[in-house]
Amino acid sequence: DIQMTQSPSSLSASVGDRVTITCRASQIIAHYLTWHQQKPGRPPKVLMTAASTLQSGVPSRFSGSGSGTDFTLTISSLQPEDVATYYCQSYNSAFGGGTKVEIK
Amino acid sequence: QVQLQESGPGLVKPSQTLSLTCTVSGASVSSGNYYWNWIRQPAGKGLEWIGRVHMSEGPKYNPAVKDRVTISIDTSWTNQFSLSLRSVTAADTAVYYCATFDVWGRGTLVTVSS
Repeated sequence: DIQMTQSPSSLSASVGDRVTITCRASQIIAHYLTWHQQKPGRPPKVLMTAASTLQSGVPSRFSGSGSGTDFTLTISSLQPEDVATYYCQSYNSAFGGGTKVEIK
Repeated sequence: QVQLQESGPGLVKPSQTLSLTCTVSGASVSSGNYYWNWIRQPAGKGLEWIGRVHMSEGPKYNPAVKDRVTISIDTSWTNQFSLSLRSVTAADTAVYYCATFDVWGRGTLVTVSS
């Protein structure tokens, strides 16, 4: 069974900072990775699929990279509305533990 | 566009069976185009994948719950799939979501309490 490991579990950064979240799969999953964003009290929202394909309406400051077992989510310039918890997920399988992003 | 809606009892007694249904619109659960997933989230905690089902494959479950769970596709005309979780305890209290790899339902809160 696939296991997903995310780091860090939380981070605090200033508005305008570049933020990077990493995700590692316990086995090769090619590009079959989804990144989700969840704001408090809301269901998760899909940010990107296939490791790097932004969903419609997602700001271009979000980007994803990686293939195989190691993946990265980057926010190029952190905005107040990006405060949320971010999860990686192997397609139709396990989630990472989440990364809580806050504004410093 | 695929849309998903969870439904079922919001309160289940300990030791009983939690049963939820996900109604799908915009796609056919029988088409084989998607895996249909159940996911849950206890209050203040992360997302836990429960399992998935696909029209052409057997279901696959999270080892943490696989002895208690059944996910199945309704092969009648309702375009639904379902979750059954047996012998529930307070630890099964959570918001339950149905989802594909790129679409989520809104979720439904299930509380296990006597």
